[in-house]
Amino acid sequence: DAGVIQSPRHEVTEMGQEVTLRCKPISGHNSLFWYRQTMMRGLELLIYFNNNVPIDDSGMPEDRFSAKMPNASFSTLKIQPSEPRDSAVYFCASRSSGGAWDTQYFGPGTRLTVL
Amino acid sequence: AQSVTQPDIHITVSEGASLELRCNYSYGATPYLFWYVQSPGQGLQLLLKYFSGDTLVQGIKGFEAEFKRSQSSFNLRKPSVHWSDAAEYFCAVGVQSSASKIIFGSGTRLSIRP
Repeated sequence: DAGVIQSPRHEVTEMGQEVTLRCKPISGHNSLFWYRQTMMRGLELLIYFNNNVPIDDSGMPEDRFSAKMPNASFSTLKIQPSEPRDSAVYFCASRSSGGAWDTQYFGPGTRLTVL
Repeated sequence: AQSVTQPDIHITVSEGASLELRCNYSYGATPYLFWYVQSPGQGLQLLLKYFSGDTLVQGIKGFEAEFKRSQSSFNLRKPSVHWSDAAEYFCAVGVQSSASKIIFGSGTRLSIRP
């Protein structure tokens, strides 16, 4: 299995630009999580999906952030417009349907830098 | 609300020495507890988890953790560290009012002295 795939691995953009991060979960997994990691705030859950439906988006910082999961094999996290404070590493994780506390498998992350 | 504290930001141990990373949680009932490891430039990988039962939990890579309710702790241990264990270690607790949500501690960076 290829594991969770994220693209791009690195993204550098200028303030005000739209940024789209992509995630392909492990085949057969039905839950998907987006996290953000910063030095100041650590690792935070932004949103998670179950069977392609957003279940909890309380961690999404503001309206500039949006996430979609159009099918079981693809999800996007979009920031529009981007700001320097959005600079962070964004992780996607997926989990099988075995149970709420089954293992989450993390992707390698996307390092976002907003200038 | 559940929370988890890792009091040590950075620890350095010699290769072959024993290791203990501290984790304290805040939760009224029996918590769901996890330890994850993050190698440089990588995502997080689950080392072990505790839900109930035996308070000593064995994980991958030779790690173990012990749940102590009286101390609200879930410390991670390894009898003999290897240079490849250098990484960031995160303790985490499950938010039981919101199935699937995990709250992570701030992490402890482990360095290995040759």
